[in-house]
Amino acid sequence: DAGVIQSPRHEVTEMGQEVTLRCKPISGHNSLFWYRQTMMRGLELLIYFNNNVPIDDSGMPEDRFSAKMPNASFSTLKIQPSEPRDSAVYFCASRRLAGEDYEQYFGPGTRLTVT
Amino acid sequence: DAKTTQPNSMESNEEEPVHLPCNHSTISGTDYIHWYRQLPSQGPEYVIHGLTSNVNNRMASLAIAEDRKSSTLILHRATLRDAAVYYCILRDATYNTDKLIFGTGTRLQVFP
Repeated sequence: DAGVIQSPRHEVTEMGQEVTLRCKPISGHNSLFWYRQTMMRGLELLIYFNNNVPIDDSGMPEDRFSAKMPNASFSTLKIQPSEPRDSAVYFCASRRLAGEDYEQYFGPGTRLTVT
Repeated sequence: DAKTTQPNSMESNEEEPVHLPCNHSTISGTDYIHWYRQLPSQGPEYVIHGLTSNVNNRMASLAIAEDRKSSTLILHRATLRDAAVYYCILRDATYNTDKLIFGTGTRLQVFP
């Protein structure tokens, strides 16, 4: 299994530009999570989906952030317009919604730098 | 959400056992205790979880106090690869939520 796939791995952009981060969950997993990690705030849950439906988006910082999951094998996190304070590592994670297996599998992350 | 308290850092020598403590004095009856770790420049990875009874898997053991107000992650023989930040997290199973709230964790250093 390839694990959770995120792209790009690194993104450098200028303030005001639109940024789109992509995630492919593990095949068969039907729950997907977006996290953000910074030195100041640690690892924060932004939003998660079950069966492609957003369940909890209370961690999304503001309207500049949006996330979609058009199908079971793809999700995007978009920032428009981007700001320097959005610089962080963004992780995607997935898990299977079944039984007692609550293990979340994390991707390698996308390091975003907004100048 | 119930909170956890962990030491900021711990040290160990290679091949020695490591006991990583976690206090969760406000834990509720429906909170599961999860442990994840994050190796340098990687995403977090699941280690173990439990509710009331002690748990063992290939990576570690989880010892849960009888009153459930504290728990200890046990690495039986530390290796250099175990150097990571270890997070103790409570997950409320009341509504079958998937939400994990990561704290600051314990940074484990392992010396040869």
